[in-house]
Amino acid sequence: SAVISQKPSRDICQRGTSLTIQCQVDSQVTMMFWYRQQPGQSLTLIATANQGSEATYESGFVIDKFPISRPNLTFSTLTVSNMSPEDSSIYLCSVELAGGRAQYFGPGTRLLVL
Amino acid sequence: GDSVTQMEGPVTLSEEAFLTINCTYTATGYPSLFWYVQYPGEGLQLLLKATKADDKGSNKGFEATYRKETTSFHLEKGSVQVSDSAVYFCAFNKAAGNKLTFGGGTRVLVKP
Repeated sequence: SAVISQKPSRDICQRGTSLTIQCQVDSQVTMMFWYRQQPGQSLTLIATANQGSEATYESGFVIDKFPISRPNLTFSTLTVSNMSPEDSSIYLCSVELAGGRAQYFGPGTRLLVL
Repeated sequence: GDSVTQMEGPVTLSEEAFLTINCTYTATGYPSLFWYVQYPGEGLQLLLKATKADDKGSNKGFEATYRKETTSFHLEKGSVQVSDSAVYFCAFNKAAGNKLTFGGGTRVLVKP
């Protein structure tokens, strides 16, 4: 497995502002992903964070709202832009290790937008 | 389209009871199957996995067998503990580098 950390662990934000979430892995990984878990719901993939190129977004998610950076093989950021209360969720990053298909998740960032 | 269906919770059990959580999937090809667990206030942890038909994944007393003929991956544990109280998610992906498709999650509450 891998050790994955996220910052911040939680935050309370005002609508209209933006928050950048960091994801750090203790080893180099090819695949990194960002998921959203809305209150009481399952997980939905936002995008695949590609190193050295633009992220690949799932249907319903756009770069202007959720810009993602992936400057190297151990780090990625997700920004939630122009937030509204509907963005209140847990945001989780995950990684897939080489040679496997399982994904390992960070502890999540709990976001509340007022 | 691709999907995962798992039994709705909450499932309430007494300690040492037998636990089964049903999971069926709809997917083309040969997906890998997973069970993840989310303890209160925490992120997701991989509980077990199976990558091909008839594989049995096991961990911490939990087991699940990949049944391709019934497209199922039911989770079982013979004797649950209070510490097993959590939300359990069934999921699959269709290839390396692909997203995980999750079921809706099943909340399990084990009472002493």
